[in-house]
Amino acid sequence: RKEVEQDPGPFNVPEGATVAFNCTYSNSASQSFFWYRQDCRKEPKLLMSVYSSGNEDGRFTAQLNRASQYISLLIRDSKLSDSATYLCVVNKRGFTGGGNKLTFGTGTQLKVEL
Amino acid sequence: DGGITQSPKYLFRKEGQNVTLSCEQNLNHDAMYWYRQDPGQGLRLIYYSQIVNDFQKGDIAEGYSVSREKKESFPLTVTSAQKNPTAFYLCASSRTGTPRIQPQHFGDGTRLSIL
Repeated sequence: RKEVEQDPGPFNVPEGATVAFNCTYSNSASQSFFWYRQDCRKEPKLLMSVYSSGNEDGRFTAQLNRASQYISLLIRDSKLSDSATYLCVVNKRGFTGGGNKLTFGTGTQLKVEL
Repeated sequence: DGGITQSPKYLFRKEGQNVTLSCEQNLNHDAMYWYRQDPGQGLRLIYYSQIVNDFQKGDIAEGYSVSREKKESFPLTVTSAQKNPTAFYLCASSRTGTPRIQPQHFGDGTRLSIL
């Protein structure tokens, strides 16, 4: 089983739609979770961290379900500019120390259309 | 503006040649990382460094080498031993806070191709 699994998509949605992505992770001891956004041929950029209680940033909502080991990202009122690949990121199992090792999912592609 | 600078943006390597990719950050981050990304694949960790003069192998270190002589700099050398070096190389840095794991921030990458 992969450490982090995502549906590759693409998710083709009309502008203004609400879209949700899920991501599952294999290590129950993982403590930190993030969503990154990556545009075509560009570097990943941090979209938001995911906290246990769930968190919201404008049109974006992230949630964590530890019991089922998945995190989700909800995008409301999607814009053309939201078209990108969304990467699910989980801290790597068993790493200690001050730094961190992260495992990146392969991403879910979103295409927002007129 | 604080950030991570990678250079060059595009690099072409001949067979049997070593090349070095530059990564500089002015975010005052202790930890730095190198990843490669291949089409349709997730990022794979090559090397990482938590502190100056110390670094560890990641998941795919064979054919690569690094140094960390300064906090701001973490250059990656792709040696001739790396048989499939064509990829998008990404450098990242992060703070080293505990207990919360810190997110990583990326440079804009170097695309390496074989001539």
